[in-house]
Amino acid sequence: DAKTTQPPSMDCAEGRAANLPCNHSTISGNEYVYWYRQIHSQGPQYIIHGLKNNETNEMASLIITEDRKSSTLILPHATLRDTAVYYCIVRVADYGGATNKLIFGTGTLLAVQP
Amino acid sequence: DTGVSQDPRHKITKRGQNVTFRCDPISEHNRLYWYRQTLGQGPEFLTYFQNEAQLEKSRLLSDRFSAERPKGSFSTLEIQRTEQGDSAMYLCASSLVRGGSNTEAFFGQGTRLTVV
Repeated sequence: DAKTTQPPSMDCAEGRAANLPCNHSTISGNEYVYWYRQIHSQGPQYIIHGLKNNETNEMASLIITEDRKSSTLILPHATLRDTAVYYCIVRVADYGGATNKLIFGTGTLLAVQP
Repeated sequence: DTGVSQDPRHKITKRGQNVTFRCDPISEHNRLYWYRQTLGQGPEFLTYFQNEAQLEKSRLLSDRFSAERPKGSFSTLEIQRTEQGDSAMYLCASSLVRGGSNTEAFFGQGTRLTVV
């Protein structure tokens, strides 16, 4: 079973920041938080991941609370092409010996409105 | 295109027929995963390979399902005697394990199977 809880859907106005929350209250010390998104009829796309520090890349920022029980994915300037299902996943740090499979929940459908 | 490639993109088959899907991972990736996704759900793990060895299979992978990766490069997923409940998107992903670390998984576009 997925170890994360996300709202089923959210709306965001084009050009505004989209803030997608995720609860992972049972996260273990060796588990990372990963975010993927899936645009309609495509495969999931990696966005970002982090352990305990905030992370930023060209796609998004990831803010993890100090107790690591929740996180927020931030898309700073949402566009219509960001409309997708966003999945928050906790994943054990892999040193090459574990399956490291991704366990997806049902995610959050982000609808960016013009 | 150097991403994960899946073929075919769409397959319609009659119940009881056998189908086979192919996945070509990113060329240097040694790990390959298969997932299945039904409407409104997130992808579910089916199985994975490290090079040519199949190291884990989900209980979702019934006896009618078989996956191979004979030379540690491309992989095939075969479903025998298809049932309507097999209708889903079948996704392949690959990653690189090297020096004790694993890259993020890169997914293909999937094969959508419809059993009629």
